[in-house]
Amino acid sequence: GAVVSQHPSRVICKSGTSVKIECRSLDFQATTMFWYRQFPKQSLMLMATSNEGSKATYEQGVEKDKFLINHASLTLSTLTVTSAHPEDSSFYICSARDPRGPQYNEQFFGPGTRLTVL
Amino acid sequence: DAKTTQPTSMDCAEGRAANLPCNHSTISGNEYVYWYRQIHSQGPQYIIHGLKNNETNEMASLIITEDRKSSTLILPHATLRDTAVYYCIVRGSGAGSARQLTFGSGTQLTVLP
Repeated sequence: GAVVSQHPSRVICKSGTSVKIECRSLDFQATTMFWYRQFPKQSLMLMATSNEGSKATYEQGVEKDKFLINHASLTLSTLTVTSAHPEDSSFYICSARDPRGPQYNEQFFGPGTRLTVL
Repeated sequence: DAKTTQPTSMDCAEGRAANLPCNHSTISGNEYVYWYRQIHSQGPQYIIHGLKNNETNEMASLIITEDRKSSTLILPHATLRDTAVYYCIVRGSGAGSARQLTFGSGTQLTVLP
C-alpha cells in the first residue's frame, strides 16, 4: 500500500512553546490529508481535514488558532501545536487518501507522533 | 455514516483463526465496511474493505452477511504480531459522503502463545 511518513516520531517540549509535526505522502500525491489525536486508552479522534491549497476544516471543539494546519503541497501537510500545554500531550496521527485507488479509496496512516509537553 | 458495534476484547490461540464480529445494522446501500488495525503506539493499518461480496486479500478475509447488517473479519492463522485493536468502520463512497474515517472503540485482539 501507499506510504505515509511523519516527523518527528517523538517530541518533548516545554509548556508555552510551539511544535510542528510533518506528514508526507511518499509515493503518491494527496489532495486531502487528515489529522487525528489519540489519548491513552482511547480511540482516534479526528481533529481536522487538510486540503491542498485551501484552508483546513476543523472538527467541532478543535481550536483552529491553536492547531495550525498547512497543506502547501500535494505531498506535505503540517500541524503546528502553538503555545503547547501539558493537556496537549497526545499521540498525533495523520492519514492521506491515495487517489490512485478506486472511488472508495482507502486511507493510509502515518506512524504517529508522540508529543509530551512538560 | 452508520455506527458500528464491536466486542471490547477477544483472545485467540496462536495459529488458530481469529474471527472478529462487527454489527452495523443501520448501514445504507452505498456504505462500505472497512477494517483497520492499530498495533500499540503505531498508526492504524488498513486491512480490507468490502461492499456486499466477501473479500479476501493476503492479510484477511471479510465476510458480509446478505442483509449487510453485520460482518466478520477473519485472520486465518493468527500470530502474536496480530495482537492489536481492530476497528470496523462503515463509510459511504458517494460525493456527498464524509471522507474521513470515524473510529469507534474497536476490539482488542490478544493472540496467546
